[in-house]
Amino acid sequence: GAVVSQHPSRVICKSGTSVKIECRSLDFQATTMFWYRQFPKQSLMLMATSNEGSKATYEQGVEKDKFLINHASLTLSTLTVTSAHPEDSSFYICMAGVTSTDTQYFGPGTRLTVL
Amino acid sequence: GENVEQHPSTLSVQEGDSAVIKCTYSDSASNYFPWYKQELGKGPQLIIDIRSNVGEKKDQRIAVTLNKTAKHFSLHITETQPEDSAVYFCAASVGGKLIFGQGTELSVKP
Repeated sequence: GAVVSQHPSRVICKSGTSVKIECRSLDFQATTMFWYRQFPKQSLMLMATSNEGSKATYEQGVEKDKFLINHASLTLSTLTVTSAHPEDSSFYICMAGVTSTDTQYFGPGTRLTVL
Repeated sequence: GENVEQHPSTLSVQEGDSAVIKCTYSDSASNYFPWYKQELGKGPQLIIDIRSNVGEKKDQRIAVTLNKTAKHFSLHITETQPEDSAVYFCAASVGGKLIFGQGTELSVKP
């Protein structure tokens, strides 16, 4: 099946710093990429949807100035958590989609811990 | 928007027994229904999916059924094994956007 990678897999940062997470589709071109957040023992909550070359669409309640998403190419999307705070600590997972086949593939996730 | 409800939240079965997890969805336009297995500390892994033009799909010990009229779909795992223990999520998709159920923690006791 298709492979999606995320980097880094784990990151620990100090409160107030910014963290960038990369999501790459390794063997296919992703027309759409989705970013999810998952708190411990909870479900995956969609944060935003991004299409290559256009602005991301954010779900209600998600601050677009805090969670910056860039989808510069068909194989790379980045999520930047700006001015991170402890409450931003979570598991962030990207999902790359192929619109023509309506199939999606998850990345392995990034564990963010903000001290 | 779409809302997906999943039950039960926890399920414990004896090895060899069957496990059934059920989901309902609200948006009749949803046309793709995947199921994911998530192990601790890892991303979700697609285990089976079904599209709206099909009522049932089977892959070895795993099967999924879909009732579009009632807007519900179910995951069936037969002959469960300890390695099936994980959290399972259903999802419904319209326009490529997946909305997830709350998850079911399945525990298979040897």
